[in-house]
Amino acid sequence: SYVLTQPPSVSVAPGQTARIPCGGNNIGGKTVHWYLQKPGQAPVLVVYDDSDRPSGIPERFSGSNSGNTATLTISRVEVGDEADYYCQVWHSSSVVFGGGTKLTVL
Amino acid sequence: QVQLQESGPGLLKPSETLSLTCSVSGGSVSSGDYYWGWIRQSPGKGLEWIGSIYRSGSTFSNPSVKSRVTISIDSSNNQFSLTLTSVTATDTGVYYCARPAMTAAGIDAFEMWGQGTLVIVSS
Repeated sequence: SYVLTQPPSVSVAPGQTARIPCGGNNIGGKTVHWYLQKPGQAPVLVVYDDSDRPSGIPERFSGSNSGNTATLTISRVEVGDEADYYCQVWHSSSVVFGGGTKLTVL
Repeated sequence: QVQLQESGPGLLKPSETLSLTCSVSGGSVSSGDYYWGWIRQSPGKGLEWIGSIYRSGSTFSNPSVKSRVTISIDSSNNQFSLTLTSVTATDTGVYYCARPAMTAAGIDAFEMWGQGTLVIVSS
């Protein structure tokens, strides 16, 4: 099975840039999607197809994907961005999620 | 705006069968090139995809639960359903139904989600 590896936590100060990595074997050859999830809420898609944003998602959220690492970048981080973030790919007829990264805004 | 709503029993005993339905409004399960999906989340854990179904009835499911899962679609009632047999405590969690974004793949990148329904398996 395909494994997506995310750090359990990332911390950043308000106004700074947060980068959340998602590691996978040759993940650059796959299409990566990113979700945020706040406590008690359903996940929200924030980036799809590596770097596209759904309607309503701020431009502060961006994605990149190359080699063995995909990265979600959140610029000018706000306190309201504090959440769990998950990467996701399609592999061998299955949807695969990363383990999630808790973003803490200090 | 498409809306999804899960429904089903919230409490089951071990070995029983879980049956959930996702009712769709503002859109049709019979249109669009989407695979409608089921995802779950155990308490304090990450997201786990269970399976997905196309309007034709074609399905994909997670190998970890494939032998116990049936996903069906009911166009007349604009809903799709999940059946999970022989549940155990490890099946406890919040179950979400979801629809992908309008991407070329149409099977992941879940953009529309239900609010989720909590299922507890306990004797």
